[in-house]
Amino acid sequence: GEDVEQSLFLSVREGDSSVINCTYTDSSSTYLYWYKQEPGAGLQLLTYIFSNMDMKQDQRLTVLLNKKDKHLSLRIADTQTGDSAIYFCAESSSWGYKYIFGTGTRLKVLA
Amino acid sequence: SAVISQKPSRDICQRGTSLTIQCQVDSQVTMMFWYRQQPGQSLTLIATANQGSEATYESGFVIDKFPISRPNLTFSTLTVSNMSPEDSSIYLCSVKEGGNTEAFFGQGTRLTVV
Repeated sequence: GEDVEQSLFLSVREGDSSVINCTYTDSSSTYLYWYKQEPGAGLQLLTYIFSNMDMKQDQRLTVLLNKKDKHLSLRIADTQTGDSAIYFCAESSSWGYKYIFGTGTRLKVLA
Repeated sequence: SAVISQKPSRDICQRGTSLTIQCQVDSQVTMMFWYRQQPGQSLTLIATANQGSEATYESGFVIDKFPISRPNLTFSTLTVSNMSPEDSSIYLCSVKEGGNTEAFFGQGTRLTVV
């Protein structure tokens, strides 16, 4: 079945860049997403990328997609303490119907 | 983007009882979903709530345990029946608006079963 994997933890210093990685197995993935979950809150969509794109940039966020290796990454430039949260990648193979979520990466930003 | 309200935001329940979680959206949406997030784990889709018909359940989830209603395009409920401590999780409502690609999530209901 489909599987989405992420590393569990990442710690960076304030002002540095963070790179959160994700691998997936479903070759029919059409959309790939990054969500942020802060403590006690729901999920907030940060950005998404279509499978026919290699890169998408949105302010401090850069998403890179290597479709051949089924690898997705999220780079956060100038990481701030407010970026501390759990980041989930997710994929869907149809028109966003069923999402398969990764295990989540807990990002800790040190002041 | 849709604004989603879930009630209750948290609850502590006795084993053997049932809890109904409500999800209200501020606009009509095409699709509504219910997810479970067990402690320290990722999100798992429980079912798709279908308006006017029975929900579509994912593997491992059954209607008797998680009955779902969706009477209209803005409201759905999920009931967690005959609860046990293993049901302690965050339950999240999610919606999709028409042809948009992204799903929006409610803030979740944190359930603890004792």
